[in-house]
Amino acid sequence: ILNVEQSPQSLHVQEGDSTNFTCSFPSSNFYALHWYRWETAKSPEALFVMTLNGDEKKKGRISATLNTKEGYSYLYIKGSQPEDSATYLCASPGSGNTPLVFGKGTRLSVIA
Amino acid sequence: DAGVIQSPRHEVTEMGQEVTLRCKPISGHDYLFWYRQTMMRGLELLIYFNNNVPIDDSGMPEDRFSAKMPNASFSTLKIQPSEPRDSAVYFCASSFLRTTNTGELFFGEGSRLTVL
Repeated sequence: ILNVEQSPQSLHVQEGDSTNFTCSFPSSNFYALHWYRWETAKSPEALFVMTLNGDEKKKGRISATLNTKEGYSYLYIKGSQPEDSATYLCASPGSGNTPLVFGKGTRLSVIA
Repeated sequence: DAGVIQSPRHEVTEMGQEVTLRCKPISGHDYLFWYRQTMMRGLELLIYFNNNVPIDDSGMPEDRFSAKMPNASFSTLKIQPSEPRDSAVYFCASSFLRTTNTGELFFGEGSRLTVL
């Protein structure tokens, strides 16, 4: 069974601080790595889908990197704002034809 | 498109009662997933369908849970009888072109179930 781990479980930062958190996954038989953002009482929304080692993707102040050889991805938020407060989920498929397995998420709280 | 639509948004029921959660996927998507979110276990897959056919239901906790997809635009997840440990947020998601696993999932807003 694929094991996707995220750390830290929760994080509190001040407005304006930059922050990052980690997603770990098995490096063997890698297919793709997804990041989702989930605000309370809303739908989780996809941020990035990455497939290649060394991939870097950016959306506004949020960016992500991927290292498939060592089995980790980092999500960075530059200059955190209160509206960035959410749970950030990463996920990976177990194999080429199986659904996404999610980590338990990192809950980010940005304090104004 | 309105996105994935789930109902009800909130359900409070008593132990032993039947609960039915509903989902309308995005038109044209050929995969539909039911996930359950709890603090302890995170987001876990219950069952998924491809072209209305159940592919893998190994994540369904026990026989009290059942899911159907009678057509491409509707799915239900039923719990009968419900128990307090079933309390969670149940998400429905849909996608297409999933064979490469790069197709993102589109989630509904979830159904928050509380079983007293």
